[in-house]
Amino acid sequence: GAGVSQSPSNKVTEKGKDVELRCDPISGHTALYWYRQSLGQGLEFLIYFQGNSAPDKSGLPSDRFSAERTGGSVSTLTIQRTQQEDSAVYLCASRHGTDGEQYFGPGTRLTVT
Amino acid sequence: DQQVKQNSPSLSVQEGRISILNCDYTNSMFDYFLWYKKYPAEGPTFLISISSIKDKNEDGRFTVFLNKSAKHLSLHIVPSQPGDSAVYFCAASLPNTGNQFYFGTGTSLTVIP
Repeated sequence: GAGVSQSPSNKVTEKGKDVELRCDPISGHTALYWYRQSLGQGLEFLIYFQGNSAPDKSGLPSDRFSAERTGGSVSTLTIQRTQQEDSAVYLCASRHGTDGEQYFGPGTRLTVT
Repeated sequence: DQQVKQNSPSLSVQEGRISILNCDYTNSMFDYFLWYKKYPAEGPTFLISISSIKDKNEDGRFTVFLNKSAKHLSLHIVPSQPGDSAVYFCAASLPNTGNQFYFGTGTSLTVIP
């Protein structure tokens, strides 16, 4: 069965440019999470979507970061005016309902030069 | 503020011996704990979990121990195999919420054949 997929797998961008990262969750999973992992750090929570509820954006580090989830499925994380400190692996995970484990995608490695 | 801590960034163990990975947390309200395993260039995959009402959960070669008074959990792998070489993350969540999972910084386990 298909797992969580993310695209692109790698992205190199110049400082100041905008980037969009995509996540395709497991079909039927109502919950979707975005995390990032900077070098030497743990997974940092960014944003959480659950069904049609308002997303929990409490982890977004600045207003340059935004995310949307269309039709309760695919999600896009957008980073505007990228900075070098945005360089990290961005991981997406989905979950069935509110219990149990999350299933992670392979991540997008973002490098801001 | 890192609420979940893994103080050992790396661990090496001989094949066949026991691997013990440790995790400490600061928030006594956490009620659900998980361990994830991550191979390079892949997303984390769920390994084992434990609810705060238990102090031990076992699944094959993997056992998780929870010491609530010490705010400490550990993952035991017996016997260790070379395929267990990966980065292990512990994570915790709060009750009645599906949103935030708090992850540690990971421990890189190397099992030496």
